[in-house]
Amino acid sequence: SAVISQKPSRDICQRGTSLTIQCQVDSQVTMMFWYRQQPGQSLTLIATANQGSEATYESGFVIDKFPISRPNLTFSTLTVSNMSPEDSSIYLCSVVGQSEKLFFGSGTQLSVL
Amino acid sequence: QKEVEQDPGPLSVPEGAIVSLNCTYSNSAFQYFMWYRQYSRKGPELLMYTYSSGNKEDGRFTAQVDKSSKYISLFIRDSQPSDSATYLCAMKYARTSARQLTFGSGTQLTVLP
Repeated sequence: SAVISQKPSRDICQRGTSLTIQCQVDSQVTMMFWYRQQPGQSLTLIATANQGSEATYESGFVIDKFPISRPNLTFSTLTVSNMSPEDSSIYLCSVVGQSEKLFFGSGTQLSVL
Repeated sequence: QKEVEQDPGPLSVPEGAIVSLNCTYSNSAFQYFMWYRQYSRKGPELLMYTYSSGNKEDGRFTAQVDKSSKYISLFIRDSQPSDSATYLCAMKYARTSARQLTFGSGTQLTVLP
């Protein structure tokens, strides 16, 4: 399975600010995804990060709030913009590895005050 | 009604017990079934991956799928304190549909020494 490094592992932010989360994979991967995991809830897909083109967002998520970059096949960033306490969550980067299995990074625990 | 239902627990068992974790689902189109283990402050780790109905065994872990009942289970034999984690079930329609992965909300398990 791919090794996925995610930074920062946790952060506490003020309302109205933005945080950029980085995801680095140790091998080239075609498909990268960003998920949100709110307490007691299922993992929710935010968007698919596409290399060389705009990200594909799921219903309920918009580019202005969650801009995503994918400059190459090993790296992606997710920005959580203009944060509010409702954005407090775990954010997870994931990639599709061998045999179409989904693997996750270690996650970013975000708390917004 | 959620597409995938999972009892959130918490579930507490003594060391050495057999643990049974379950998910039910409503969409008969799901063909691929997964179990992820998530330790506190970590990303989900793929534990078991199965296709269609039947059993799959890997060490102390057995995944069982009953498509006729729309019910999947994960059994842990000889449970250890290191098995204490949240267990997430997940499922998808087709082998290549990583974007359409649907997760349960997770069951929190504690194995007491």
